[in-house]
Amino acid sequence: DTAVSQTPKYLVTQMGNDKSIKCEQNLGHDTMYWYKQDSKKFLKIMFSYNNKELIINETVPNRFSPKSPDKAHLNLHINSLELGDSAVYFCASSPPPRGDTIYFGEGSWLTVV
Amino acid sequence: SQQGEEDPQALSIQEGENATMNCSYKTSINNLQWYRQNSGRGLVHLILIRSNEREKHSGRLRVTLDTSKKSSSLLITASRAADTASYFCATAGSNYQLIWGAGTKLIIKP
Repeated sequence: DTAVSQTPKYLVTQMGNDKSIKCEQNLGHDTMYWYKQDSKKFLKIMFSYNNKELIINETVPNRFSPKSPDKAHLNLHINSLELGDSAVYFCASSPPPRGDTIYFGEGSWLTVV
Repeated sequence: SQQGEEDPQALSIQEGENATMNCSYKTSINNLQWYRQNSGRGLVHLILIRSNEREKHSGRLRVTLDTSKKSSSLLITASRAADTASYFCATAGSNYQLIWGAGTKLIIKP
């Protein structure tokens, strides 16, 4: 009965590879997010979708591309992985009103070697 | 971008003591939220306090908000080992986008 689930939890890959992280929420929320948390625990929003429509697109390299096939899913595809992409990526969702409580997944630990 | 700044960055106390963490921010807000992150886990929402509220309680948690000083505090009373975690504040402004602080790492010693 996991609310926000993301896979894989751990991912070790070589530089230059392409990888995807999948996210699904069963909370019925309209808004979903991708956050990046670096080694110093700073949390930075990358993307936000509302009902499959992109509403927040922060300054993120073009190598990162989100895809929302429906409002319960928001996947993150990363091309040409670089060492600096190593981080924890969190998927999250929230109900209306905007700016209120966010529900996070357990995170995907990406290590680029 | 980081708006909230938590203080202290790290806090180590004995089990049973109270823990107080502070969060300062720079621009006007609609609400301020506190989240907990256990090691290796996702963030969990603790409390949301709106800009027209001054204090809120939830179990052993007490949050205060002083909009004139642009600051908030989170008090955890009678701390337990299970409270060991990182605590983050996040503010929602007029565009409703959450801006996060860098977190306070709390260690409860048995």
